[in-house]
Order: sequence, then C-alpha cells, then structure tokens
Amino acid sequence: DVKVTQSSRYLVKRTGEKVFLECVQDMDHENMFWYRQDPGLGLRLIYFSYDVKMKEKGDIPEGYSVSREKKERFSLILESASTNQTSMYLCASSLSTGTYEQYFGPGTRLTVT
Amino acid sequence: GEDVEQSLFLSVREGDSSVINCTYTDSSSTYLYWYKQEPGAGLQLLTYIFSNMDMKQDQRLTVLLNKKDKHLSLRIADTQTGDSAIYFCAEDHNNDMRFGAGTRLTVKP
Repeated sequence: DVKVTQSSRYLVKRTGEKVFLECVQDMDHENMFWYRQDPGLGLRLIYFSYDVKMKEKGDIPEGYSVSREKKERFSLILESASTNQTSMYLCASSLSTGTYEQYFGPGTRLTVT
Repeated sequence: GEDVEQSLFLSVREGDSSVINCTYTDSSSTYLYWYKQEPGAGLQLLTYIFSNMDMKQDQRLTVLLNKKDKHLSLRIADTQTGDSAIYFCAEDHNNDMRFGAGTRLTVKP
C-alpha cells in the first residue's frame, strides 16, 4: 500500500514564525503536491513538484515556498506565518504515468495565532 | 474561479440512493475522479472513470459521465451511515488535478 505521511497532525504557531511541514511518501512517486483545504473552497494547490529539485507554483503560492531535495520528501515552508494561513494542509503524491491517481496524507491542521 | 463545481451539501436517509453531481470545464481531461474524505482523514480515491466511457459500476457505486455537457455524477445505492463524508470530484489537468469544493453527504438513520 502506498503510504504518505505528514510530520504533524496538529500544529499551533505564532504569527511571524517560520513553519516547516514535512511530507514523505514510500512508493517512489515522481510527483508530489501540497494543498490547503478550507471550508467551501475545497482543495487549492499551493505548489507541486514533478522531480527532485523541481517545483511549480500552483494556484495560491504566495506566502509559501517548498523544497524537494530527495524524491520521497516534499517540504512546505511558511517563511513568516500569518493568521490567514490557518488551514488544513494536505500532501499528496502520484506517478507521472497511468491514471495519475493522487495518494493523500492524513493532513496537518495548522493554527496560527 | 472554480474549474470544477459541485454542490456543498446533500442529505439522505439510510437505505436511499445518493446522487452527487459535478460539472467540469477541461474537455481534454483523460480521467475524472471521485475522492472520499472521512472526518479527520485525508482524501481517498473512491473510483475514477476514463473519459471515453459513459458509465462505470463498482458494487454500490455508479459513475455517469456526460462529456457533451461536461457533467459527472456519483450514485451510491443503499446509502449507509458509514457513507457520511465529503465527496470530491476531480479532473486531471496536465499531470495535476483540479478539485471541486466537495459535497458533504449526511446520512440520516
């Protein structure tokens, strides 16, 4: 079974702090994604990566950066957390061929106070 | 704006059929998907349909695709309380995915 794990289920940070969200997948997938999920807005893509050291902006990249130094790990960085970044963050991975099915981690609920 | 649209809420009684509808905009999508998210969990793929198919059935689930109208639906027969969740419609888009806002299905006993 594909497993996508995220470093924390719940996180509380203060405004202005630097925040790291880590995601690891164990199926050698080329593609990895970070989404945020907000009520009524569904999933919005922040960044994705189709290879090591490669990254592409999604729909809402402002205020975020990412890092992919190893194939299995994709990190989301909030350089200076703000209250409007309070959200559920979901990581996903997929192959670059076939049905493109995305496998999701359990999510990290981040609260910025 | 949203590329994939679906209603936000649906409530049914246990044993009834549920139909969740979705419209999408990218006619070049190869696959269309339905994901299920249970409380406190990530999304899990429920089923998908290849774009050259009209229908796909998998036990209690039936997916209908109308390419002309860009309309996708998910029918759950004999809905159970365990089916209560948020259901997301998604289309593949250049090796990425576009998701709808999710339909929260509530099943009343």
